[in-house]
Formats: sequence, structure tokens, C-alpha cells
Amino acid sequence: QTVVTQEPSLTVSPGGTVTLTCTSSTGAVTSGFSPNWIQQKPGQAPRTLIYSTSSKHSWTPARFSGSLLGGKAALTLSGVQPEDEAEYHCLLNCDNSWVFGGGTKLTVL
Amino acid sequence: QVQLVQSGAEVKKPGASVKVSCKASGYTFTSYHLHWVRQAPGQGLEWMGVIFGSDGSTTKAQKFQVRLTMTRDTSTSTVYVELSSLTSKDTAVYFCVREVPGGVFDVWGQGTMVAVSS
Repeated sequence: QTVVTQEPSLTVSPGGTVTLTCTSSTGAVTSGFSPNWIQQKPGQAPRTLIYSTSSKHSWTPARFSGSLLGGKAALTLSGVQPEDEAEYHCLLNCDNSWVFGGGTKLTVL
Repeated sequence: QVQLVQSGAEVKKPGASVKVSCKASGYTFTSYHLHWVRQAPGQGLEWMGVIFGSDGSTTKAQKFQVRLTMTRDTSTSTVYVELSSLTSKDTAVYFCVREVPGGVFDVWGQGTMVAVSS
């Protein structure tokens, strides 16, 4: 069973930039893993922000971007807003099943 | 607009089964896959399985191979997940989420709380 790992927590100042990463225990993450990034605020249903590594949904704010960085999937927030404080989950396709990372709690402080 | 509306909260005894529904609207039901994901209190998201839009076949996560059943009713555009032999570790919020074939996750249901307690 593949293990997907994310930073447990990160802190960023309003207006700052932060990058969250997602790694696979099987090796480098590629576009073939179809990375999705999902935002979840307390008490709310999740909301997918990024799919296919870097593509955005119509509801995804422009300050969110996805990429591959050094063998990892990455989510970058540029010009962070207070409302971006949330849990961020990555989701990878691994051997025809899907695996979530443990989530990153992003604090905006 | 595209919507996934799930059934209401459930309370079950250990050893029982639970069946949660997810009714889709606003799109062609059989053109998209539907996944089930759960989240235990204070924990991360856990992928459980998927029912494919084209033929209703399913793929399940290894840990749910025995206890999980996913079905659908195309006449009502509803998918169901049934989990058997419940224990307290199955206490969680269960979500359905749509996948555009090719790995594009988009719309989520509102979640269904399942509590397992004696």
C-alpha cells in the first residue's frame, strides 16, 4: 500500500507565499499520479482546487497553483488571504486506486 | 447545477451494517465515476472505493475489500455505499465525490455522519 506524505502543518503570513508538497513512498510523483489538491475548512465538505497536477476548476482562486517540484506534487499559494486557513489534502492515483495524504493544516498568522 | 445530495446521519450498533446514499443531479449520471471517501473525527480523508459510470463496476481500497459494497440505481441517479460489521473505528463522515473520467475530482456531497456506538 502506497503511503502519501504531506507536511502536517505550515504557517504563513497574510500576503505571503507558501508551498505545500505531496510525496509518494513508491518514488517520484509524476503527472501519471493525476494529483488533485483539496481544501477543507472546519465543519465543511472538501472542495477540490487543483486536478491533473496543475489545472484549476472554475471556482479556484488564481492565487492557487499546482506543479511538480523535485519529484513531489506541490500546491503554491501566492498572496495568501486569511480565508485560506484550512486543511489541504493531496490525492494521488496509485496502481489504479487512490490514496490521500495525511493533510496539511495551514495557519495564516 | 451539478449536485450530490447525501442521506442523513446514522447511528448504528457495533456489528451492524449501514447504507448511505448519494443522489446526483444536473449531469448525465453514467458519464462520470463516483467515489466514496470517509473522514474519522480529527483525521484526514480516506479513499474507500469507486463505482464507474460507464458500467457500474467497482474498485475498492484493499482494507475495504470484504466489508464494502457499492451499488447504483441509474433510474434515480443514486449511488449507495454499504459497510458491514461496523466497529467504533467506522465512526466517520462519509462523502461521495464525482470524478470526470481521467482523474478530475470536482463536486463533493455534503457528507453523512455515521456514528457507531453501543
